[in-house]
Amino acid sequence: AQSVTQLGSHVSVSEGALVLLRCNYSSSVPPYLFWYVQYPNQGLQLLLKYTTGATLVKGINGFEAEFKKSETSFHLTKPSAHMSDAAEYFCAVRSQTGANNLFFGTGTRLTVIP
Amino acid sequence: DSGVTQTPKHLITATGQRVTLRCSPRSGDLSVYWYQQSLDQGLQFLIQYYNGEERAKGNILERFSAQQFPDLHSELNLSSLELGDSALYFCASSVEGGQPTDTQYFGPGTRLTVL
Repeated sequence: AQSVTQLGSHVSVSEGALVLLRCNYSSSVPPYLFWYVQYPNQGLQLLLKYTTGATLVKGINGFEAEFKKSETSFHLTKPSAHMSDAAEYFCAVRSQTGANNLFFGTGTRLTVIP
Repeated sequence: DSGVTQTPKHLITATGQRVTLRCSPRSGDLSVYWYQQSLDQGLQFLIQYYNGEERAKGNILERFSAQQFPDLHSELNLSSLELGDSALYFCASSVEGGQPTDTQYFGPGTRLTVL
């Protein structure tokens, strides 16, 4: 079975500082991993995804994530936080038992301090 | 804008009632997924339809059911509502739903409040 664990339900960073949101996965097969962002009162927007190939994945809005098999991690980073990055971020792993549905982590709320 | 539309945006109803949530997928997408987001259980997969047929079930209660129509829009029916059913219900769509590179695009959600 697949699952993800997001470490830290709340993360605060100063504007211009590095953003690091942590996600560890559990999967008995090579995982397909995703990061979604949810702005207040909105749906989920895909930031980036890893399926196969290059382990460093670049997404929208300057975010990137690195798939590290040895650490079973898929942490999300951004070099310099903007106020507009304040949102909730969800890591997800795709089911590989036929449904292809997503299993989501519990989310990390990012606050950006001016 | 993901291209996935959901109606209504908000729904307030009473315990014991029945409601229907509607989702229109992106143009060309054949697969529809329903998810529930609640404070205590987070984001959970409920059910998936592909081209009119049920493909997979997740943590969906027996009081809940869904269907996908020939025009590919989907409806989620929630009956005998309980206070604990209050949540944000998301619909997502994807082109096929069977490929690992398939991306799910989420609608804005329907916020259900059961009083």
